[in-house]
Amino acid sequence: GAVVSQHPSRVICKSGTSVKIECRSLDFQATTMFWYRQFPKQSLMLMATSNEGSKATYEQGVEKDKFLINHASLTLSTLTVTSAHPEDSSFYICSAPVQTKNIQYFGAGTRLSVL
Amino acid sequence: EDQVTQSPEALRLQEGESSSLNCSYTVSGLRGLFWYRQDPGKGPEFLFTLYSAGEEKEKERLKATLTKKESFLHITAPKPEDSATYLCAVQGNDMRFGAGTRLTVKP
Repeated sequence: GAVVSQHPSRVICKSGTSVKIECRSLDFQATTMFWYRQFPKQSLMLMATSNEGSKATYEQGVEKDKFLINHASLTLSTLTVTSAHPEDSSFYICSAPVQTKNIQYFGAGTRLSVL
Repeated sequence: EDQVTQSPEALRLQEGESSSLNCSYTVSGLRGLFWYRQDPGKGPEFLFTLYSAGEEKEKERLKATLTKKESFLHITAPKPEDSATYLCAVQGNDMRFGAGTRLTVKP
């Protein structure tokens, strides 16, 4: 299957700092990538759709100024959590679809802990 | 609104004890139903895609089936390494995930 790399796997930061999470498609190109958030024992909640070369599309209730998304190339999307607060602590996961297969492949996730 | 409901929330099996996980869905215009496996602290790992009622897919001890209203993930003679959360997702206009079934297989 296709490989999606997500980095870092875990980050601990102080309240008020910004954190950048990278998502890379290693063996295919992705014009679209997705960012999810997952709370313990809950399902994946789509936060935003990252579009290469254009603005991201955010789901209702997700603050675009808080969660900055950049899709600079066909293999890289980044999510920056700006001025992080303890309530932003969560598990963030990215995915990229292989269009010819209509399948989303996921990164390993990033555990963010804001102190 | 598209909805995905998985049951049970949690399932504990003895090694070798076969069972099934359920995924009930409502979606306008199903473009695909997906099963993923998720281990703790990891991202989901793709297992199967099903596109139309009556379709079945198999991989080792897992078999996924699809009807117009639900999908089943059958686990035959499970082993402890099959312990994980199994997620179901449906794609209509967008992708919607169920909350998952946490499977524990005891030796």
